[in-house]
Amino acid sequence: GAVVSQHPSWVICKSGTSVKIECRSLDFQATTMFWYRQFPKQSLMLMATSNEGSKATYEQGVEKDKFLINHASLTLSTLTVTSAHPEDSSFYICSAKQGASSQPQHFGDGTRLSIL
Amino acid sequence: GENVEQHPSTLSVQEGDSAVIKCTYSDSASNYFPWYKQELGKRPQLIIDIRSNVGEKKDQRIAVTLNKTAKHFSLHITETQPEDSAVYFCAASTGNTPLVFGKGTRLSVIA
Repeated sequence: GAVVSQHPSWVICKSGTSVKIECRSLDFQATTMFWYRQFPKQSLMLMATSNEGSKATYEQGVEKDKFLINHASLTLSTLTVTSAHPEDSSFYICSAKQGASSQPQHFGDGTRLSIL
Repeated sequence: GENVEQHPSTLSVQEGDSAVIKCTYSDSASNYFPWYKQELGKRPQLIIDIRSNVGEKKDQRIAVTLNKTAKHFSLHITETQPEDSAVYFCAASTGNTPLVFGKGTRLSVIA
């Protein structure tokens, strides 16, 4: 149980392109979903928290107009990297949690984004 | 906000030896402490977690201890095997807040 599916797993695109990443909880309803970014050999840095039906809460330093997050249902959240540039190249990972209490966060497989 | 410090950043052990990774946290309200294992290019996988109402939890070769007074918690892996080689992350949360991760420990188990 508690499977999180993330798609696509790998994206290579030209600078200026917008890229959408999907995160789905397959066998549970995710009240809250989180988006992390991980640069090589570094830790996971939280970008934003999204709750179903409400606006995402972004961490300090994360541009909300560049990283658009939509959490339209209890099983789907999307992250759109708008007008991506080479410095946006990274490993993006979503996670989902059921309920608001101390429940584990379950991670998707991640999306490796490479901007040329 | 919460700050999690993790040590060491790299750890090499001989196969069969034990490995210990330590973390400290700053927010006394944190009450959930998971440990994740991440292999290269893959998702972090939850290997064990502990809540603040217990001091120790064990699952086969893996154990976690928590000292709430000192605000630190540790991961213990016994009888290490080459397949234990990975990056391990500790994290902390109040339960209603997102996980804050340590910087990770790269564990190498030498056969």
